[in-house]
Amino acid sequence: GAGVSQTPSNKVTEKGKYVELRCDPISGHTALYWYRQSLGQGPEFLIYFQGTGAADDSGLPNDRFFAVRPEGSVSTLKIQRTERGDSAVYLCASSLSPGPGDTQYFGPGTRLTVL
Amino acid sequence: AQSVTQPDIHITVSEGASLELRCNYSYGATPYLFWYVQSPGQGLQLLLKYFSGDTLVQGIKGFEAEFKRSQSSFNLRKPSVHWSDAAEYFCAVGAPPGTYKYIFGTGTRLKVLA
Repeated sequence: GAGVSQTPSNKVTEKGKYVELRCDPISGHTALYWYRQSLGQGPEFLIYFQGTGAADDSGLPNDRFFAVRPEGSVSTLKIQRTERGDSAVYLCASSLSPGPGDTQYFGPGTRLTVL
Repeated sequence: AQSVTQPDIHITVSEGASLELRCNYSYGATPYLFWYVQSPGQGLQLLLKYFSGDTLVQGIKGFEAEFKRSQSSFNLRKPSVHWSDAAEYFCAVGAPPGTYKYIFGTGTRLKVLA
């Protein structure tokens, strides 16, 4: 596609539920990133994929968060037993290759609200 | 640890006026520096980036930024603001340099008065 797309754009769930957030990167981009942006804050790094593998998941806050990219393209961020503190905008970005020499292109985000 | 500070949470300027958004970073070596803009409902869009070389960087939409090592700053400027520039602006540093992980500041929300 023309840009990074994320679905859904909005997700409202109840505390304790499981959610999946999807990211479609720009075609041909090998690197994919997930960030979380809380209200009034800048994006915070969660996880980075190079191809199918998670090269760095050091930003995931705890083991309730997990992400996959099985075919090296679409990625899904999965959150188990959601908590109210998980409410945020989840941003996905992709780049042609890893490293700051290649611009990270961001999607519009998924706004997650946990009631 | 690397960090980015954007001291101004909100800035209001009149259309046609000049603009400067401040960004200070904390890092021992020369970092990779970025400015992104985020409009409501839109993804972050890269305005410009600095890796090395000329310390005055030109970006899209008429923006420029100047890297000042002595002040650990990378301020964003525009000589004449347009109403469409109203958005939130984020400064980011690639941390550590040469890697993929960006550290963002908390952002500056720009309001433009007609």
